[in-house]
Amino acid sequence: ETGVTQSPTHLIKTRGQQVTLRCSSQSGHNTVSWYQQALGQGPQFIFQYYREEENGRGNFPPRFSGLQFPNYSSELNVNALELDDSALYLCASSLIDYNEQFFGPGTRLTVL
Amino acid sequence: AQKVTQAQTEISVVEKEDVTLDCVYETRDTTYYLFWYKQPPSGELVFLIRRNSFDEQNEISGRYSWNFQKSTSSFNFTITASQVVDSAVYFCALSASTGNQFYFGTGTSLTVIP
Repeated sequence: ETGVTQSPTHLIKTRGQQVTLRCSSQSGHNTVSWYQQALGQGPQFIFQYYREEENGRGNFPPRFSGLQFPNYSSELNVNALELDDSALYLCASSLIDYNEQFFGPGTRLTVL
Repeated sequence: AQKVTQAQTEISVVEKEDVTLDCVYETRDTTYYLFWYKQPPSGELVFLIRRNSFDEQNEISGRYSWNFQKSTSSFNFTITASQVVDSAVYFCALSASTGNQFYFGTGTSLTVIP
């Protein structure tokens, strides 16, 4: 069984730039969720994708956007990066309506 | 509104001691799920346990045990005979019956001293 993978592992950007993070879901899973984890905090829900459409969103501005592809992989895009966007970004895959999520290793984004 | 509180920010114990990590949750849903995850320094969240709101049986898995009490909205996690490998940040999380959004606590950093 293939687990959740994320790329890249680490990323450094400067304020105002744009970034794309990628996630491959676990085999058989049709739902992908993204979380932001600031240092010393718990993960915060950004949004979820199911059937290539957004299926719920947390309290994040529109400059956080995403995509899900037919193979259920996903991208998280962040425009106009701010210093506070520095965090670990976690992707989790699951089956829709089944409350168990499997997390990837995360992408650590640093915004300078 | 859904909320998870982990009041213990950091805990240090000596190896072989028992330690309990507290978790208190808030939800208006009658059906919900509670989770514990372990996050080692590598960053990946490792699933430990899932509990639904209708199952208040305590569970034991090796050195790990969980105490779910709906009356106090708590879902506490105990590690018996702690080991250095248990050192990590532990998160408690809540998920409502509809939608898959998880609400995480702020985590408890556990250090086991050899």
